[in-house]
Amino acid sequence: KNEVEQSPQNLTAQEGEFITINCSYSVGISALHWLQQHPGGGIVSLFMLSSGKKKHGRLIATINIQEKHSSLHITASHPRDSAVYICAVRGGSEKLVFGKGTKLTVNP
Amino acid sequence: DSGVTQTPKHLITATGQRVTLRCSPRSGDLSVYWYQQSLDQGLQFLIHYYNGEERAKGNILERFSAQQFPDLHSELNLSSLELGDSALYFCASSVGGASNEQFFGPGTRLTVL
Repeated sequence: KNEVEQSPQNLTAQEGEFITINCSYSVGISALHWLQQHPGGGIVSLFMLSSGKKKHGRLIATINIQEKHSSLHITASHPRDSAVYICAVRGGSEKLVFGKGTKLTVNP
Repeated sequence: DSGVTQTPKHLITATGQRVTLRCSPRSGDLSVYWYQQSLDQGLQFLIHYYNGEERAKGNILERFSAQQFPDLHSELNLSSLELGDSALYFCASSVGGASNEQFFGPGTRLTVL
């Protein structure tokens, strides 16, 4: 079993829809990262959080430490949001452990 | 543009060869991290350097080595290359240690034939 599980693996939405991507982890962590990887391969760090909720534009990330679960929400989705979204956790060591990613396609 | 640069962008080489991937962190960042992304394994942490010193090691093969130089750029050396080493190699940097946000470079795509 992977330490970091993401769901769904693939997600197709229509423009304007509200999107939720989930991340569950099995170890104690000090921080959780959400990353976005564009079709060209580049990776952008979206959020780093250790508790509560963060918002940036149309993106919202939440984390529940007790339940070992995080969600990434995208409001009013747009075709340019199409990308792979990757959850990564940092435990007691300084290493990041990555989920396998969620491929999001937003159709116009 | 994250401010992290990686060279080369693409590298095609043969099995058994040795290559060097280079990373320049964002100005002011002291940490450099190396990651490997292959189709079957996804993203995996390789190694972390902070101000020239190794801080953490992940799933890095003995055939691979890295270092961070006094000017803070870093190099990842891959030797005795195998087909399975074909992957995207990313470098990231952060201001301090791993508790800080990481900024990723564009990656180097390595193809071993």
